[in-house]
Amino acid sequence: ILNVEQSPQSLHVQEGDSTNFTCSFPSSNFYALHWYRWETAKSPEALFVMTLNGDEKKKGRISATLNTKEGYSYLYIKGSQPEDSATYLCALDLHNNAGNMLTFGGGTRLMVKP
Amino acid sequence: DTGVSQDPRHKITKRGQNVTFRCDPISEHNRLYWYRQTLGQGPEFLTYFQNEAQLEKSRLLSDRFSAERPKGSFSTLEIQRTEQGDSAMYLCASSTRAGTSGGATDTQYFGPGTRLTVL
Repeated sequence: ILNVEQSPQSLHVQEGDSTNFTCSFPSSNFYALHWYRWETAKSPEALFVMTLNGDEKKKGRISATLNTKEGYSYLYIKGSQPEDSATYLCALDLHNNAGNMLTFGGGTRLMVKP
Repeated sequence: DTGVSQDPRHKITKRGQNVTFRCDPISEHNRLYWYRQTLGQGPEFLTYFQNEAQLEKSRLLSDRFSAERPKGSFSTLEIQRTEQGDSAMYLCASSTRAGTSGGATDTQYFGPGTRLTVL
């Protein structure tokens, strides 16, 4: 059984704070890592796809890094805003014969207080 | 086409009843996935279609569950004789093969899900 772990489970921050979350996975099972943002009552939204050790991706105030050798990825949000409140999910793509099925972590629920 | 759609968004049913959910993927996407998310957990893979062929099923998908994608477009997920443990959010995602084998990963685009409550 492949375990993708995310920490913390939940996080409360004030508007303007910067924050980061961790996604960890077995380093021996890796093809690609996906980050999604899931706001309540909406569809999960793809943020990043990362495949190479050392990858860094950025989208506005959100960025992510990847370390495949030690099996972790960090997601950073700079200057959090209330609209950043959502659950952030990471998912591992093992690229087995089953297409590109994703194995998700449990998510980090972020709440940004104005 | 504005994205993946799912119908209904919410379904409340009594234990023992059958339910069917529908997913309409992004029109040019040939791959379609079903996932299930229970409270406090991340989504878990249920099954995968490439065009109309169902190529993989998770062991989570008991005999009471069946999925179809008859013309390689929309898909349905049916649960027979529902149980309280089936209460969950059912998510559908679609993608298109991105590049040649060994060189790319698909970005999966998700629908808003169908929340099932079994009383």
